[in-house]
Order: sequence, then structure tokens, then C-alpha cells
Amino acid sequence: GNSVTQMEGPVTLSEEAFLTINCTYTATGYPSLFWYVQYPGEGLQLLLKATKADDKGSNKGFEATYRKETTSFHLEKGSVQVSDSAVYFCALVGSTSGTYKYIFGTGTRLKVLA
Amino acid sequence: DTEVTQTPKHLVMGMTNKKSLKCEQHMGHRAMYWYKQKAKKPPELMFVYSYEKLSINESVPSRFSPECPNSSLLNLHLHALQPEDSALYLCASSQVVAGGPGGETQYFGPGTRLLVL
Repeated sequence: GNSVTQMEGPVTLSEEAFLTINCTYTATGYPSLFWYVQYPGEGLQLLLKATKADDKGSNKGFEATYRKETTSFHLEKGSVQVSDSAVYFCALVGSTSGTYKYIFGTGTRLKVLA
Repeated sequence: DTEVTQTPKHLVMGMTNKKSLKCEQHMGHRAMYWYKQKAKKPPELMFVYSYEKLSINESVPSRFSPECPNSSLLNLHLHALQPEDSALYLCASSQVVAGGPGGETQYFGPGTRLLVL
């Protein structure tokens, strides 16, 4: 079946450090891929998405590239800020027996220190 | 405007109470979703409505009863809940149900934090 695997957290970085959060997926066909961010006490916000192989999603300095050959969608940011502290969820939309559903990874907590 | 609103923000209820959660969107989306999220876990899908009709029920106990009175509103009626039902309940919407054109992107509300005593 379809699944998403994220790196275990928490990830703790100093401000202005480089961020990578790994995400790999298993799916049939060509799923759309997403990163969502959840700040403390809030709902999920769409951060970026990519709908086909080699697409790069980007937003607010974050980027992720849809790599079909490695079935990955790693999230990167060149210089993190304290305000980026949150939980990041990788997700895909894929079909299981003709029914399309969102499949979320377990989430990676990011803590950025000043 | 990509806003999904949810009320109330917080809810405390006893196991014999009846309460309702409300969700509203004015983006013209025709698919709406209820998710349950426990602490430090990803959201779990509960129900999907497509064009105001229930299309997916993820084997949710009958003490949770969804309702979609029109294309902008989604309710979740709660009755005789258990303490283990305490969680953050998230509503989401998308243009159409996932798998349809433009249907992939879901927009989430801020959630209702429910505590069952």
C-alpha cells in the first residue's frame, strides 16, 4: 500500500543553519507530494507541493524536489529562523483500490535555537 | 482566501453530553474532511464528503456523526464520547475530492481541541 516515511525528530538547529528533513514514499503510479507545517496549537498549513516528477515546490525559503528515481521529497531550507520551529508533515495523495486519500508521515519536530 | 474556520476552538465535555463541532469554508470547495489528531501523531482521516454526500467513513464509531448541511458547512455531532476521544479535530476542504482535477490540495482549519472527562 501507499506510505510515507519521515526522519525521526526532534531536529534541533541553531538559527541560520541549513535544514534538511528527509521524506521517502511508497506508492503506485504518480502521487502528488506535499509538505505541511503545524505550529504549536494550530492546524496544518500547506507549505509546498509538487505534482509530478522533477517538479520543485517552494515557499517561504523552503524547497523540495519530487525525485521519482529515489522516491523522495526531502524538505530543505538554507537558513532557518526561530519562527520556523514547528512540526513538519510530509504527505502524498495516492490511490488505494480506486479511492484517493492523503497519507501523512509521522511528522518531524523542528526546534530552532536563537 | 484559503481560510477554513472551525468553532469552537476548545471544548470540554462529559461522557453523557451531546455537542457539535462546526466547520465552514467559502472557497467554493466541494470536498470536506474531518480528521482526528492525537498528540505527536499525524492526522487520521475520519470522514470525507463530496458534493454534500458522505463518500468515505473510515470505520468511525457511531458516537461521531457527521453532517454536511450545504456546500460551505460541515458539522461533527458528538454523543457519549469516551476519554480516549480527546484529541484535536481538524476540518479540511479541497476543490474536489482527491483524485479529481485540482482536488489534491487540502486546506486545513485551526482545529477544535476536545477534552472528554
